Amino acid sequence: ILNVEQSPQSLHVQEGDSTNFTCSFPSSNFYALHWYRWETAKSPEALFVMTLNGDEKKKGRISATLNTKEGYSYLYIKGSQPEDSATYLCAPPGGANSKLTFGKGITLSVRP
Amino acid sequence: DGGITQSPKYLFRKEGQNVTLSCEQNLNHDAMYWYRQDPGQGLRLIYYSQIVNDFQKGDIAEGYSVSREKKESFPLTVTSAQKNPTAFYLCASSISGREQFFGPGTRLTVL
Repeated sequence: ILNVEQSPQSLHVQEGDSTNFTCSFPSSNFYALHWYRWETAKSPEALFVMTLNGDEKKKGRISATLNTKEGYSYLYIKGSQPEDSATYLCAPPGGANSKLTFGKGITLSVRP
Repeated sequence: DGGITQSPKYLFRKEGQNVTLSCEQNLNHDAMYWYRQDPGQGLRLIYYSQIVNDFQKGDIAEGYSVSREKKESFPLTVTSAQKNPTAFYLCASSISGREQFFGPGTRLTVL
């Protein structure tokens, strides 16, 4: 089982604040890193799948970076909105076509 | 509409009974997965299947069984051997190696 750590565990911010989360994973035998967003009463949805060291991906106000050599990824949310309130999960697969190991997630709450 | 469905949404089971959770997808995905979520825990993998008629144990397979007779369907049976079955169960599917698409989940409660 891969050791995947996410921090902080939860975060409460004011609308308009920018925030970032960390996902740490084993750097050896790296294949890819997935980010998912899970809103209350909905299903988890994929945000990004990242594969290359130094990769940066963006979707609206959300972006992510990847450092495969040191085994971490950052997720940034610029100008948080209440609709960004969700749990954000990261998951590296064990290899090509392999199962994902999810971190415990980071729960973000954005106050209007 | 393409998607992944799970039924039922809520399920109640008496101790000692087996119960089967349904998962169907019409996305033409080869791979399907079953996860369990407990309070304060991340998603933990129970079983996964990358192709019809083949499946592998995940991290917490004890007390569960699956079948994959059709590409579209991946039912999960929670047996009486599962010591703590009350949880939220999520099914997912994907093109192998790509992002996963999740169903709405089934909440199982053992009475």
